Formats: sequence, structure tokens, C-alpha cells
Amino acid sequence: KAGVTQTPRYLIKTRGQQVTLSCSPISGHRSVSWYQQTPGQGLQFLFEYFSETQRNKGNFPGRFSGRQFSNSRSEMNVSTLELGDSALYLCASSLRAGGLTADTQYFGPGTRLTVL
Amino acid sequence: AQSVTQLDSQVPVFEEAPVELRCNYSSSVSVYLFWYVQYPNQGLQLLLKYLSGSTLVKGINGFEAEFNKSQTSFHLRKPSVHISDTAEYFCAVSETGGGNKLTFGTGTQLKVEL
Repeated sequence: KAGVTQTPRYLIKTRGQQVTLSCSPISGHRSVSWYQQTPGQGLQFLFEYFSETQRNKGNFPGRFSGRQFSNSRSEMNVSTLELGDSALYLCASSLRAGGLTADTQYFGPGTRLTVL
Repeated sequence: AQSVTQLDSQVPVFEEAPVELRCNYSSSVSVYLFWYVQYPNQGLQLLLKYLSGSTLVKGINGFEAEFNKSQTSFHLRKPSVHISDTAEYFCAVSETGGGNKLTFGTGTQLKVEL
């Protein structure tokens, strides 16, 4: 079974631009979560989607948004890019939405975003 | 809100020696605990997880971890490391009712030397 795929793997943008990252979960998985990884802040949760609905959101400004499609694929968008948005963006998929019991998440290889 | 502390940012160890990577957490509710490994320029790979039941959890590549509720710890151990274990290791926690949101520690760089 194919793993989580993320496109593109590398991206270079300039300040003020916007960017869209894509994530395809493992076949059959319906939950997708996004994380930002930076040397300074480490791994931070952005948001979680399940059945096209945002279920949970981290502490990020409104410039960070996401959505999920009916086939469970997800995109995240960052508008008005800042230098500090340079990071590895990781997507994780799981079979179920987390509830009383957390479901195991499987991570993709990430998209490396560089903002100049 | 939950938090995770990995006290050791780097752990050097010789090949075939045992290793322990420490993880402590803080939460006001029940938690689920995970260890992930990240190799250079790759995503995170799940090593093992504790959801309930036996406090000793065995994972892939010969790793194991023990959940200690009184100490709020979930230390990762391996009796004999290999050069290929060189990577960064992350401890993570998810709270009951918190969905799939993971809170990660700052990571421990394990460097295995010959």
C-alpha cells in the first residue's frame, strides 16, 4: 500500500507570495493532519481534517488555512508569506478521526518551503 | 494543555552499546504516547505507541519503551544500537478527547559511533 505522498517536495517563494501544498493520504485513510517543523519551534500542529471538516486547529495565524476534498486529499495554503514561514511542512494520515482514542498517524516525507 | 520534555538534545553512543532516550510529559487528562524517528530529509516514522494495557511496549527495530504513570515518563530503550539507528527521535503525546493532535518534544539526536 502506498504511503502518504506530498507535493511538491521542495518549494522556493518570496515574501508576500502565497503557496499551496498538497497531501494524498494512505488509501482508505480519512483523517489528515498538518504539522510545521522548524529548527527554532520544533514540530507544531497546524490543523486536522476529517470528512472534509476541520476538526482541530493549532495556534497559527489566519494566513494558514487548509481544506480536504471528498477523496480525502488535503491542501494547505499559506498567504502573504513571511521569512519565518520557511519550514518543513509534514502531512500525516490516519484511518479515523481522533476522539476518545487517538489513532496512529503515518507521516509523509514533507514539503520543504523556503521563503526568500 | 499537554507538554513533552526531552531533556537530552544529543546522545552519543558506541555501536552495540545500550541506549535510553528520556521523555517526560505533563497533562491533566489521560494520554496516549508515541515515539517517532526521523532520518535526514525524511518524514517521521512511527517506532512504537502506548494506548493502554501493558506498560512495556515493543516497537520496530528492536526498540521498546515503558510507560510510567507515576513518573509521567515514557523512556525509549534499545539494548544494542547499530550505526543505522543514527537519527533524530521524537516523543509525542495525544490527549484523550484531543483528536489526533500530537504535541511533540524537541527531539533527541542519537549519534551512533563505531
